[in-house]
Amino acid sequence: DIVMTQSPEHLAVSLGERATINCKSSQSFSYTLTDKNFLSWYQQRPGQPPKLLIYRASIRESGVPDRFSGSGSATEFSLNIDNVQAEDVAVYYCLQYYGSPSFGQGTKVELK
Amino acid sequence: EVQLVESGGGLIQPGGSLRLSCVVSGFNFSDYQYNWVRQAPGKGLEWVAWISMSGNVVKYADSVKGRFSITKDKVNKSVSLQMNSLRGDDTAVYYCARTTSDYGIDFWGQGTLVTVSS
Repeated sequence: DIVMTQSPEHLAVSLGERATINCKSSQSFSYTLTDKNFLSWYQQRPGQPPKLLIYRASIRESGVPDRFSGSGSATEFSLNIDNVQAEDVAVYYCLQYYGSPSFGQGTKVELK
Repeated sequence: EVQLVESGGGLIQPGGSLRLSCVVSGFNFSDYQYNWVRQAPGKGLEWVAWISMSGNVVKYADSVKGRFSITKDKVNKSVSLQMNSLRGDDTAVYYCARTTSDYGIDFWGQGTLVTVSS
């Protein structure tokens, strides 16, 4: 099974700053021929279900603000939130869906 | 409007059984795979079970294998999770989630709470 290790566990940022969350996979799950990386990112606000932000590692879901961006391949992936806003306070999760799905442990983003 | 509505949660004693249901609307039920994902109180997301578009292939997390069973009903546009031999560590909000090979999980239901306690 693929294990996803997400860091940091907590992240405190000031309004307008950049937040970076990392996810490392225990094995590569990229199809190099098609350049597909089966990794997505989710935002979960308190009391709500998760919401899809990014899929295939770097493609922003429709309606997601462009301050959210994803990058990476093979075993190392990142979610960046530029110009952090108050409404970005949430827990963020990565998910690999190459094999049986597995989530990272989550990163709680708070304001300083 | 895309909707996935879970039901069937509640308080159940250890060793008991419960059947969760997820009824979908607003899209073509047969075009998607489905997952059940759970979240224990104050904890992260844990994948539980997956069913293919055809319904012929299923997968389970090791923590529920042999106890839980996922099925789908095209007529009623629903996905179910039969949970047997429930334990305290099965206590969680259970989410039904729409899934594709390209997007992964792209839409979630609101969840239903299962509490296993005597």
